[in-house]
Amino acid sequence: AQKVTQAQTEISVVEKEDVTLDCVYETRDTTYYLFWYKQPPSGELVFLIRRNSFDEQNEISGRYSWNFQKSTSSFNFTITTSQVVDSAVYFCALSEVVQGGSEKLVFGKGTKLTVNP
Amino acid sequence: SAVISQKPSRDICQRGTSLTIQCQVDSQVTMMFWYRQQPGQSLTLIATANQGSEATYESGFVIDKFPISRPNLTFSTLTVSNMSPEDSSIYLCSVAGGRVETQYFGPGTRLLVL
Repeated sequence: AQKVTQAQTEISVVEKEDVTLDCVYETRDTTYYLFWYKQPPSGELVFLIRRNSFDEQNEISGRYSWNFQKSTSSFNFTITTSQVVDSAVYFCALSEVVQGGSEKLVFGKGTKLTVNP
Repeated sequence: SAVISQKPSRDICQRGTSLTIQCQVDSQVTMMFWYRQQPGQSLTLIATANQGSEATYESGFVIDKFPISRPNLTFSTLTVSNMSPEDSSIYLCSVAGGRVETQYFGPGTRLLVL
């Protein structure tokens, strides 16, 4: 079965520090998708990125970057020059094709990031 | 991405009662899902809401406890039946344009059962 591990339960940094959130996954599928979502204190889940298993290029979006390495089954997320507004719980997720051909998301337990002023 | 709304946004209920949560999307979507997030925990898929047919439930979730309707491509409801304090959670719906498309989430419904 699919599994997503986010070993870091909580991280606390000071504003402007860089921080990396780790995500390790397990799957037997050759085709799969990986995701990161952000859940701020308000509770809504905000989509950040989706990568497919055939695209190992790193991606950068502003202060956010993602490092996907199939060799180590990892999909890590780095925030550079962190800001207080980055404080949230971040979830890594893996797609799993289930009955009927639809996709189910398997979530990690999340990493709570606190950015202090 | 689609605009997703949920009603109610939060509620406090007595044990033994039932609550129906609505999920409305501003455009037609192929897939709709319901998730539960227990306090301090990750998200767990309850079921896939199928338009015009019975929902597909995940292991550990049953239709009698969580009946789901999906009458069209923009609307779904989840009922939490015969509630107990253990049902206190955030319930989120998500939508996707296709079977392998990105899922976008609604704002969630915070439920507290006393």
